Amino acid sequence: SQTIHQWPATLVQPVGSPLSLECTVEGTSNPNLYWYRQAAGRGLQLLFYSVGIGQISSEVPQNLSASRPQDRQFILSSKKLLLSDSGFYLCAWSVWGAGTGELFFGEGSRLTVL
Amino acid sequence: AQSVSQHNHHVILSEAASLELGCNYSYGGTVNLFWYVQYPGQHLQLLLKYFSGDPLVKGIKGFEAEFIKSKFSFNLRKPSVQWSDTAEYFCAVMGNAGNMLTFGGGTRLMVKP
Repeated sequence: SQTIHQWPATLVQPVGSPLSLECTVEGTSNPNLYWYRQAAGRGLQLLFYSVGIGQISSEVPQNLSASRPQDRQFILSSKKLLLSDSGFYLCAWSVWGAGTGELFFGEGSRLTVL
Repeated sequence: AQSVSQHNHHVILSEAASLELGCNYSYGGTVNLFWYVQYPGQHLQLLLKYFSGDPLVKGIKGFEAEFIKSKFSFNLRKPSVQWSDTAEYFCAVMGNAGNMLTFGGGTRLMVKP
């Protein structure tokens, strides 16, 4: 069966510090991968998605970047965090291609920038 | 670009009351439509989905949703809610040309016992 893991689960970082959130998927090949941010009262905002290694699409210009160094690994990064980067970050995967569209979500990472 | 609007941000109901959560989308082509639910402390999970065929789709836990193409709507319904339905509900749309799932702002449902 397929599983998705992301870490760390909770992170408290000072403004200006770097960020690295990691997500891995097991039990499937060539998945579509996604990073979403969930902010209170604002629902889920798609940040990045990837249909293959090294292929990243950015939906929202911001202080963050994403990379996919391996087929089932997706990393969300920042060189210098801003206060506005605080939020709940969710990694998700779906079957490659237009497929069914169903997303499977990780446990989430709560980032607090002070 | 596709977008999704959920009109109710917070809903409070008593047990056994009927539920209807509104969802409207904006997209010019064929769409796949979804409702996701996030129970307190749990992952987001799929509640139900519509791809084609019967516009009335049934999901888990007695939920159903009706796709009305002329109204660009996909409202979620349940005849009688339970305390355990307390959760946040998200409507989502995916255009048939891509891989992106666009979510609405979510509706927090609280069911009072």
